[in-house]
Amino acid sequence: SQKIEQNSEALNIQEGKTATLTCNYTNYSPAYLQWYRQDPGRGPVFLLLIRENEKEKRKERLKVTFDTTLKQSLFHITASQPADSATYLCAPARRDTGRRALTFGSGTRLQVQP
Amino acid sequence: DAGVIQSPRHEVTEMGQEVTLRCKPISGHDYLFWYRQTMMRGLELLIYFNNNVPIDDSGMPEDRFSAKMPNASFSTLKIQPSEPRDSAVYFCASRASDDQETQYFGPGTRLLVL
Repeated sequence: SQKIEQNSEALNIQEGKTATLTCNYTNYSPAYLQWYRQDPGRGPVFLLLIRENEKEKRKERLKVTFDTTLKQSLFHITASQPADSATYLCAPARRDTGRRALTFGSGTRLQVQP
Repeated sequence: DAGVIQSPRHEVTEMGQEVTLRCKPISGHDYLFWYRQTMMRGLELLIYFNNNVPIDDSGMPEDRFSAKMPNASFSTLKIQPSEPRDSAVYFCASRASDDQETQYFGPGTRLLVL
């Protein structure tokens, strides 16, 4: 069955450092993968999308990589700030739905210490 | 734009009662998704609609759950009868079109079934 794995343990880093979050998937060949941010008591908010033919995508302090051979995506936040503290969800697109639907990982909670 | 609107924000009910959750997607969006989020199972897709038509309801847990989209600006998710294990946060999300993969989430409805 399709499976998405994100670090279930919280990631604690110091302000100014680079945070790296991992998303591994099995029995999957997603055409694209999205990353979302979720704050407590709120719905997820879209951050970045990377397609299967792209190796890397950047947006301001955010960077996503996509390795279809390793079946892994890495999400980086450079120069992290306490305001970056949140849960980050990866979401590969499901080919069985014509790439319309997503399957979400359980998320990794990031805590940036001032 | 007001974003995706969900009501109620919180619902407390007793086992056996009928519960109706409501969603207004972003105007002009073709897709509407219903998700359920729990600590144990994460964010799960229940059902999604395209142009008001249900496309995939394979995530609906049981016959006790039903969803409708009578028009482009309104959808309901109904649980009848409700059970304590239905306690979760229910999110509605919308997506503009086939070419726009971003999903926009509402604030969620926190449901507690006693």
